[in-house]
Amino acid sequence: DTGVSQNPRHKITKRGQNVTFRCDPISEHNRLYWYRQTLGQGPEFLTYFQNEAQLEKSRLLSDRFSAERPKGSFSTLEIQRTEQGDSAMYLCASSLGSDTQYFGPGTRLTVL
Amino acid sequence: QQQVKQSPQSLIVQKGGISIINCAYENTAFDYFPWYQQFPGKGPALLIAIRPDVSEKKEGRFTISFNKSAKQFSLHIMDSQPGDSATYFCAASVAGGSQGNLIFGKGTKLSVKP
Repeated sequence: DTGVSQNPRHKITKRGQNVTFRCDPISEHNRLYWYRQTLGQGPEFLTYFQNEAQLEKSRLLSDRFSAERPKGSFSTLEIQRTEQGDSAMYLCASSLGSDTQYFGPGTRLTVL
Repeated sequence: QQQVKQSPQSLIVQKGGISIINCAYENTAFDYFPWYQQFPGKGPALLIAIRPDVSEKKEGRFTISFNKSAKQFSLHIMDSQPGDSATYFCAASVAGGSQGNLIFGKGTKLSVKP
């Protein structure tokens, strides 16, 4: 399978815990995006990388959120001190330049 | 401020009918308009996309109509099938820019009745 993969697919955590998600983009895609989708809404942009550089962060990305893309390959999104409002589907997408963004299956986070 | 407005929120169509979903945008810098299809528990998948240099693009049963002066674009699904039942999102971006993140509409849940 050469598509975008995300792990884990589901994560249940207690409020206050830290969680980390991983995204593996399509090989050779230099851009990687993180979006968040809540029930009944469209995906909302969080941040994006061009190669290993994080070039843009949405105001939705509070200080509790951090993302990395070491070596310009896979990316991780960490949420510290999770809150119930963080419950959402976290989607990763990759593209070659400004071409089509291909989305992964997402990680569903539930904060109890 | 919602930059891409999508309607209707939900749509019920009979098998074989035409499904029409509309979107309006505000930012005249947008130059790339994709439609994504999403099934429950899955990530969005690109269906069809258009750039503002053309007024219509057709791929199989799916057609995008684009009206630059009105800042509107729409998705037409011809001969709708039960397998088309999903949530559809329009989106927009400044593809030629340095960022290119997509701004999505709120989605339309389509149900095609057999």
